[in-house]
Amino acid sequence: QVQLQESGPGLVKPSGTLSLTCTVSGGSISSYYWTWIRQPPGKGLEWIGYIYYSGTTNYNPSLQSRVTMSVDTSKNQFSLELSSVTAADTAVYYCARVKSGGHLDYWGQGTLVTVSS
Amino acid sequence: DIVMTQAPDSLAVSLGERATINCTSSQSVLYSSNNKNYLAWYQQKPRQPPKLLISWASTRESGVPDRFSGSGSGTDFTLTISSLQAEDVAVYHCQQYYNIPRTFGQGTKVEIK
Repeated sequence: QVQLQESGPGLVKPSGTLSLTCTVSGGSISSYYWTWIRQPPGKGLEWIGYIYYSGTTNYNPSLQSRVTMSVDTSKNQFSLELSSVTAADTAVYYCARVKSGGHLDYWGQGTLVTVSS
Repeated sequence: DIVMTQAPDSLAVSLGERATINCTSSQSVLYSSNNKNYLAWYQQKPRQPPKLLISWASTRESGVPDRFSGSGSGTDFTLTISSLQAEDVAVYHCQQYYNIPRTFGQGTKVEIK
């Protein structure tokens, strides 16, 4: 059974950089796309972008100037960096696996990141 | 961007009754070359991540009870819970994976009447 676990700081200062890592267990990161989704408190889901195990990326244009994703196949991990954060970036951040086509079949439990001084 | 709009925002249904959630996309998510609708439904219970219920608009995931069904094509889709159970209380989201950026509906909260 594939499992995903997000990790990283729960508090980031305004104008700082949010950094999260997703560790995949129970399966290989290879041959799949992986994605980051976020959900502000009490709101809907927002797609941040995805990364292929080879390193190919595709980001949401609304966040593209601030987002960087990377992958480390040796550790079975992929990562998210979001720069110049503001309070509007406060959200639960989820990592997930992209199944063939684009739907998301395995999700991490999510981690709350709060942007505050 | 493809805008996904769900209706209603919330609904209350008696146990054992039918619940119907609609999802409309601002443009078609039907890919003509393979005749597939690039539309998924997720269930999100409180303090949990979303769970994939249905892909390709109508394909139920393994382990998902058959009281959940998806239908529709093009721009208009429906998730039906044929006989609501207590454990079905959740927020339901539709998602299109036809275009970048992937987009979700605003969510529909299902409660027990």
